[in-house]
Amino acid sequence: NAGVTQTPKFRILKIGQSMTLQCAQDMNHNYMYWYRQDPGMGLKLIYYSVGAGITDKGEVPNGYNVSRSTTEDFPLRLELAAPSQTSVYFCASSPTSGGDETQYFGPGTRLLVL
Amino acid sequence: AQKITQTQPGMFVQEKEAVTLDCTYDTSDPSYGLFWYKQPSSGEMIFLIYQGSYDQQNATEGRYSLNFQKARKSANLVISASQLGDSAMYFCAMREGPRGYQKVTFGTGTKLQVIP
Repeated sequence: NAGVTQTPKFRILKIGQSMTLQCAQDMNHNYMYWYRQDPGMGLKLIYYSVGAGITDKGEVPNGYNVSRSTTEDFPLRLELAAPSQTSVYFCASSPTSGGDETQYFGPGTRLLVL
Repeated sequence: AQKITQTQPGMFVQEKEAVTLDCTYDTSDPSYGLFWYKQPSSGEMIFLIYQGSYDQQNATEGRYSLNFQKARKSANLVISASQLGDSAMYFCAMREGPRGYQKVTFGTGTKLQVIP
């Protein structure tokens, strides 16, 4: 059971470039999330999804876009990368069943924008 | 006002002893959830425990328990019988609103070091 997978593990972008961070889960979870973690800080929610075709903004959505065409995949798109987007990005998923809010995290993607 | 406050930037605990990591929260929403996460030096995020605002009993997961005091708005994590592998950053987080509406706030974390 792979759980939550993220690719790539590490990436360097130039200012103005675009990229997509991939996230996939094989646990049939409806809830999926994208967080970023800046150095020495807790996580901040970028976007989340409660099911295929449904996404919504979190606390820090500017400069990002998401889509959720399948239950398994939840890619995060960065358009026009900026140095402020240098961070570690975590994808997570959780079950739908009421009361179970266990979250499963991917290993993270470390992004450096120069 | 801070939504989640973790007042202990760093803590030490002797191996096999219990330790309490403090977390206070601020919300006016009657429906919310409280989470604790562990982040070892390797960087991955590990979900530890969850407490819903309507849960009558304190959550427990193995050696982890959440001391939920609703009136005081505190949600302290208690780790019993500390192990060397417990050395890590610990984050408290809160989801405001019912599930499906994910307004989530994290604290700044507490670095726990377990001493042999």
